[in-house]
Amino acid sequence: QVTLRESGPALVKPTQTLTLTCTFSGFSLSASGMCVSWIRQPPGKALEWLARIDWDDDKYYSTSLKTRLTISKDTSKNQVVLTMTNMDTVDTATYYCARILWFGVRAFDYWGQGTLVTVSS
Amino acid sequence: DIQMTQSPSSVSASVGDRVTITCRASQDISSWLAWYQQKPGKAPKLLIYAASSLQFGVPSRFSGSGSGTHFTLTITSLQPEDFATYYCQQANSFPPLTFGGGTKVEIK
Repeated sequence: QVTLRESGPALVKPTQTLTLTCTFSGFSLSASGMCVSWIRQPPGKALEWLARIDWDDDKYYSTSLKTRLTISKDTSKNQVVLTMTNMDTVDTATYYCARILWFGVRAFDYWGQGTLVTVSS
Repeated sequence: DIQMTQSPSSVSASVGDRVTITCRASQDISSWLAWYQQKPGKAPKLLIYAASSLQFGVPSRFSGSGSGTHFTLTITSLQPEDFATYYCQQANSFPPLTFGGGTKVEIK
């Protein structure tokens, strides 16, 4: 059974760095074609893809946010970590992690429940 | 970056209606398009991948078609549980893995 769960602070102040952890089970991020992405959704708005890390440790970032994002993985702990620097009120959103099988479905087939992050002083 | 444009942004329909949602890509994405359903307060759910393949467990009233730059999601005989927001997403050219702006299916 595949599950993903996001964890991190619910509230951060402007200019602070956000660190989110995605803890997953039911699959190995070492398996060929396996990838985990972070996606966010501001209240009432559309989904926005942020970053992706692959089984071979390749990393990809949103064009507009790449200077602020870092994605990493700890395969032994089944975790993927996203850091976003210099947080602003416009970064208030629900942040999701999701799995994607790049050599198969090539779509986000499993999602975490999401974690709401509010940026406010 | 590839832009994904969904239309309409919202549609009002009745139970039993046929609903079609369109997604256009700003450049050729072959068949690497997925459709998701999202209900309020919930994570998106994968419905269709590779433009026309139905995800396991998704009712057959959902179908997808298209290739290149023009794609459609069709819901035949809309059910009460289908009232939600639907998103398309391209997976051909990245980064980024772009989502469309969403289509809200509302009760008429």
